[in-house]
Amino acid sequence: QVQLVQSGAEVKKPGASVKVSCKASGYTFSAYYIHWVRQAPGQGLEWMGWISPKSGDTKYAQKFQGRITMTGDTSISTAYMELNSLRSDDTAVFYCARETLAGFDPWGQGTLVTVSS
Amino acid sequence: DVVMTQSPLYLPVTPGEPASISCRSSQSLLQRNGYNYLDWYLQKPGQSPQLLIYLGSNRASGVPDRFSGSGSGTDFTLKISRVEAEDVGVYYCMQALQTPLFGPGTKVDIK
Repeated sequence: QVQLVQSGAEVKKPGASVKVSCKASGYTFSAYYIHWVRQAPGQGLEWMGWISPKSGDTKYAQKFQGRITMTGDTSISTAYMELNSLRSDDTAVFYCARETLAGFDPWGQGTLVTVSS
Repeated sequence: DVVMTQSPLYLPVTPGEPASISCRSSQSLLQRNGYNYLDWYLQKPGQSPQLLIYLGSNRASGVPDRFSGSGSGTDFTLKISRVEAEDVGVYYCMQALQTPLFGPGTKVDIK
């Protein structure tokens, strides 16, 4: 079945970077965009950007421009999201999701990133 | 910039009764191809969001037929014909026409 499996929880200090992975299975990884969505504790969903695994093209939300990098490795069907210069308000669950013509489906299980000194 | 609003933000429901959530976009989500680029997602407690409705009115695979989406342009509605206990969670609409943007979410809970 189509599945996205994300890397485990991370604890980072302010100013550090975090790289979250999203491994796809059950479909042709290069054929679908991968989006990343952030959810701060008790808050709603915030779109961060997308990557085309086939071309490597990316588009980021303006809010994260300059400190976010999305990459993909088609050889292992894995997408990555790296966020730099972490702040305490970056503490959140990060989700990857596959974009289809019929919406974002499926979503990964989420990765909790805690930023704390 | 597009703004997405939802109402109500909190919806207490009674099992077996209908429920309805409204979503509005500040810009039309209707394209020339006739599709409305509006999706609905449900995030059950402790889970990842899951797709319910895509392109305004199409139920995703495996979604019970008690869920329906309607509307066009800037005004959309998600209806649950008869709420079940497993339907609790936060419902988000999302515009997919430009850069994706989620509404603030509507929390549905059992009375």
